[in-house]
Amino acid sequence: NAGVMQNPRHLVRRRGQEARLRCSPMKGHSHVYWYRQLPEEGLKFMVYLQKENIIDESGMPKERFSAEFPKEGPSILRIQQVVRGDSAAYFCASSPRTSGAPDTQYFGPGTRLTVL
Amino acid sequence: AQSVSQHNHHVILSEAASLELGCNYSYGGTVNLFWYVQYPGQHLQLLLKYFSGDPLVKGIKGFEAEFIKSKFSFNLRKPSVQWSDTAEYFCAVRAGRGSTLGRLYFGRGTQLTVWP
Repeated sequence: NAGVMQNPRHLVRRRGQEARLRCSPMKGHSHVYWYRQLPEEGLKFMVYLQKENIIDESGMPKERFSAEFPKEGPSILRIQQVVRGDSAAYFCASSPRTSGAPDTQYFGPGTRLTVL
Repeated sequence: AQSVSQHNHHVILSEAASLELGCNYSYGGTVNLFWYVQYPGQHLQLLLKYFSGDPLVKGIKGFEAEFIKSKFSFNLRKPSVQWSDTAEYFCAVRAGRGSTLGRLYFGRGTQLTVWP
């Protein structure tokens, strides 16, 4: 059973370009979370999605960042007009749909974004 | 806002030494608690978790953690570390009523280096 997949693993962009990060959850998981890890810091929550729905985007910057989890295909985190401060590791996690019970998030390997 | 504190940023031990990594959180209500480990070059893996019940939780690879509600703590322990335990360790908390799903709050991590 494959784990959470993320691609690309490394992404280099110049300032002003767009970055697209993809996340395929574990089989059977319908919840996806995105976190960002800046150097010397812990992971910070960005957004929580279910299929075709954004449940909680309170951790996402209001501008330039967007996320989606379509009915078919991976979840996408999109960063428009990247700046140097966007350089970070972006982690995706997924969890199964377990109504009324606490669940566990399983993490992907991350995408390391470098903005030149 | 909830916060998670990991007091030690870098811990250096010799093999066979005992380990205790501190984790404190700020939320006073229902919590789910997690320790994740990130080995060099790998993604975050779940070490152990606490949802309810026995506050002493046993995880993989000989790790355990104790939830002390009165101290808002969830410290990670291992009686005898091995060189292969060299990794970064993250404490995470999910907080709030209805905390079955949703965002995790992470500490900034503790880098453990074990000398053979």
